[in-house]
Amino acid sequence: GIQVEQSPPDLILQEGANSTLRCNFSDSVNNLQWFHQNPWGQLINLFYIPSGTKQNGRLSATTVATERYSLLYISSSQTTDSGVYFCAAGESPETSGSRLTFGEGTQLTVNP
Amino acid sequence: DAGITQSPRHKVTETGTPVTLRCHQTENHRYMYWYRQDPGHGLRLIHYSYGVKDTDKGEVSDGYSVSRSKTEDFLLTLESATSSQTSVYFCAISESGQGAEAFFGQGTRLTVV
Repeated sequence: GIQVEQSPPDLILQEGANSTLRCNFSDSVNNLQWFHQNPWGQLINLFYIPSGTKQNGRLSATTVATERYSLLYISSSQTTDSGVYFCAAGESPETSGSRLTFGEGTQLTVNP
Repeated sequence: DAGITQSPRHKVTETGTPVTLRCHQTENHRYMYWYRQDPGHGLRLIHYSYGVKDTDKGEVSDGYSVSRSKTEDFLLTLESATSSQTSVYFCAISESGQGAEAFFGQGTRLTVV
C-alpha cells in the first residue's frame, strides 16, 4: 500500500512566524488531503489537493503529483494554529472510495 | 460541517465485553469508513463500506466487524473487547469514488479496562 511520510515531526514557532510542512507519498494518488487536529481531537479539513496549488487565508498548499510530495504553508502563525497537522493520501478506485493512508503528523506549537 | 454523528462519544468497558459504536450521516454519501487513532500515530483504516450491505476490510480489521443496513448508519462492533483496542475511533464519509474528499466525525474515545 501507499506509504506517507511527514516532516518535521515537531515544530515550535513564535507567533507571527512562517512555516512549511512536507508530505511525501510513495505511489501515485488521486486523493491528497491536509487536516488539522485541534487540541479537542477534532479533525478539520484544510485542503483537498491531489494536484496543484490552493490558498485559504493564511494557509496554502501545493501538491506536485509527479514528484510525489505535498507542502502545507502557514504564514503569520497564530497560537490557534497549534495542534497536529496530518497529510493523508489514497489511490481510491471507484469500488472503495477514499481510503486514506495517514502520515504520523506534524505537532505544531505556536508560542505567544 | 459535514453531518456526521458518532455515538457514544466516550465509553469505558471491560475486557471481553462486546461493544458497538455507531456512525450516523445525514449527507446521503455512498462511502463510509472506520479509522482508529493511537497516541503518536496517524489514523489507520479498520473497515469501510461502499454501499448498503457492502463492506470490506481495511489495514487493521482483526477483532472488528461492521454492518451497514441503511445508507445513513455504519456500525463498528468489537465482539470481545481487548485492552489493545483502547483507542479513539473516527468515522468518515465521502460522496463518491475516485478520490473524493473525505470528512470525519468527532471521534469516540473507547477505553477497555
